[in-house]
Amino acid sequence: QITLKESGPTLVKPTQTLTLTCTFSGFSLTTDRVSVGWIRQPPGKALEWLALIHWNDDKHYSPSLKNRLTITKDTSENQVVLTMTNMDPVDTATYYCAHRGIYSNYVWFDPWGQGTLVTVSS
Amino acid sequence: DIQMTQSPSSLSVSIGDRVTITCRASQSISTYLNWYLQKPGKAPKLLIYAASRLQSGVPSRFSGSGSGTDFTLTISSLQPEDFATYYCQQNYNMALTFGGGTTVEIK
Repeated sequence: QITLKESGPTLVKPTQTLTLTCTFSGFSLTTDRVSVGWIRQPPGKALEWLALIHWNDDKHYSPSLKNRLTITKDTSENQVVLTMTNMDPVDTATYYCAHRGIYSNYVWFDPWGQGTLVTVSS
Repeated sequence: DIQMTQSPSSLSVSIGDRVTITCRASQSISTYLNWYLQKPGKAPKLLIYAASRLQSGVPSRFSGSGSGTDFTLTISSLQPEDFATYYCQQNYNMALTFGGGTTVEIK
């Protein structure tokens, strides 16, 4: 059974850097074609994909946030870390990590972690 | 970026109704389209991948169709547990994008 859980601060100040950790079980990020992604959702709004890291350490970022995001993995700890710099109140959201499923060239997110709400406020 | 537009943004329906939600891509994405269901306060759950393939464990009343730019999620007979918000997501390229969501409410 695959599970993921996000952890990190619930409150950050504007201009600070946010660091979130996704701890997972039931799969390994050393296995071919395995990936983990981050997605966020501002309160009452739609989902927004942020970043994806692959088993071979390839990374993909949202073009609109690329300059602020860094995604890394620690395969020994079964963790994926997302950092986002220069936080702003508009970045207030629930942040989810998710396992990337794959079939042929099709990809999707399943399952997802429970999410962690991050509020940006002074 | 590929923009994904869902319609309607919300709809009020009754138990047993047939529900159709549409998702339109700003360019052709072949069948690189997924559908998710999200209940309030919960993480999204995958329903359909590759436009029409039902995820394991998802009830057969859910179905997906379409290719190119126009896609449809259909619920053949709405059940109480189906009241939720539905999102489409394209994976044609690695700038993944979601639609704005469609909320299905009780009439």
